[in-house]
Amino acid sequence: GEDVEQSLFLSVREGDSSVINCTYTDSSSTYLYWYKQEPGAGLQLLTYIFSNMDMKQDQRLTVLLNKKDKHLSLRIADTQTGDSAIYFCAEIANTGGFKTIFGAGTRLFVKA
Amino acid sequence: EAGVTQFPSHSVIEKGQTVTLRCDPISGHDNLYWYRRVMGKEIKFLLHFVKESKQDESGMPNNRFLAERTGGTYSTLKVQPAELEDSGVYFCASSQVITDTQYFGPGTRLTVL
Repeated sequence: GEDVEQSLFLSVREGDSSVINCTYTDSSSTYLYWYKQEPGAGLQLLTYIFSNMDMKQDQRLTVLLNKKDKHLSLRIADTQTGDSAIYFCAEIANTGGFKTIFGAGTRLFVKA
Repeated sequence: EAGVTQFPSHSVIEKGQTVTLRCDPISGHDNLYWYRRVMGKEIKFLLHFVKESKQDESGMPNNRFLAERTGGTYSTLKVQPAELEDSGVYFCASSQVITDTQYFGPGTRLTVL
């Protein structure tokens, strides 16, 4: 079945770059997503990439997509303490109905 | 444009009680989804409405959960009777087109004691 996997924890120093990795299984996904959940808050759509692209840059965020390996990554440049959150990789899978399939979330901890 | 809203933000109930969660989607979005995240695990799909009809309810855990979307606007998710394992965060999402990006609400944190 559909599955999205990501590492559970990442710790970086303030000012360094963070790279969060994800692998997915449904190759038919049109879009792949990164959501952010700050402590006590809801899910915020951070960015997304169309499946026919291999890179998307948005200010400090860079999304890389390797469709052959079904690998998605999110790079945060100049990571700040305010970036501390859980980051969820997700895809929309068509399994008789369209549903978002999430990874377990990567908790990013930024040390000052 | 207002986003997806959910009510309440938190609910603490005792085992065996009933709780009803509400979701108001983005205006004009026919597609409404419920998800939940229990015990820090993955966010899992529960069900999908297209207007007032249930398109896919394959993720509903058991018959203690009842979702409705009368009139095709807001939706409610009732848990009756609640069990300890129902504790978690319940998210609602909506999209304009079925294949479109789903926008999520802030979630309702449910604690069953």
